[in-house]
Amino acid sequence: KAGVTQTPRYLIKTRGQQVTLSCSPISGHRSVSWYQQTPGQGLQFLFEYFSETQRNKGNFPGRFSGRQFSNSRSEMNVSTLELGDSALYLCASSLGGRATDTQYFGPGTRLTVL
Amino acid sequence: GENVEQHPSTLSVQEGDSAVIKCTYSDSASNYFPWYKQELGKGPQLIIDIRSNVGEKKDQRIAVTLNKTAKHFSLHITETQPEDSAVYFCAASYSGAGSYQLTFGKGTKLSVIP
Repeated sequence: KAGVTQTPRYLIKTRGQQVTLSCSPISGHRSVSWYQQTPGQGLQFLFEYFSETQRNKGNFPGRFSGRQFSNSRSEMNVSTLELGDSALYLCASSLGGRATDTQYFGPGTRLTVL
Repeated sequence: GENVEQHPSTLSVQEGDSAVIKCTYSDSASNYFPWYKQELGKGPQLIIDIRSNVGEKKDQRIAVTLNKTAKHFSLHITETQPEDSAVYFCAASYSGAGSYQLTFGKGTKLSVIP
């Protein structure tokens, strides 16, 4: 079974632009979570989607948004990019979206904002 | 919300020795505690997890212990090998209203010296 895939793997943008990242979960998984990873803050939760509904959102500004499609694929969008948005963005999927379900991570998208 | 503390931040051991990483969490409602290994340029990979109804779990050279009363859990790696060198993250799964999120520790960089 294929793992979690994320596209693109690398992205370079300039301040003020917007960006869309894509995540394809493991087949059959219905929950997708997004995390931001930086050297200073570590892994921080962005949001979680289950059956096309955002169920939980971390402490990030409204510039960060996302959605999930009927096939469980998910996208996240960051508008009006800032230098501080440079990070590794990780997507994780789980089968049933329960707290005790294992989350499997993708390789991440490395975003650099210049 | 949940808060996870992880120690130490760096750990160097000789090949063949044991390594121990410790984490504490704040929310007594958390009931799932995974450990992830992240190698350079890759997403976190689950290596072992434990649920709150179990006190200890072992998988070959890796073991995890959980003390719910004290709210701490630990990762034990025995007979370390150079390929164990990576960053290790502990996490706690916090269940909110109809959703959940993983809260991560800041990570431990493990170096196994041949």
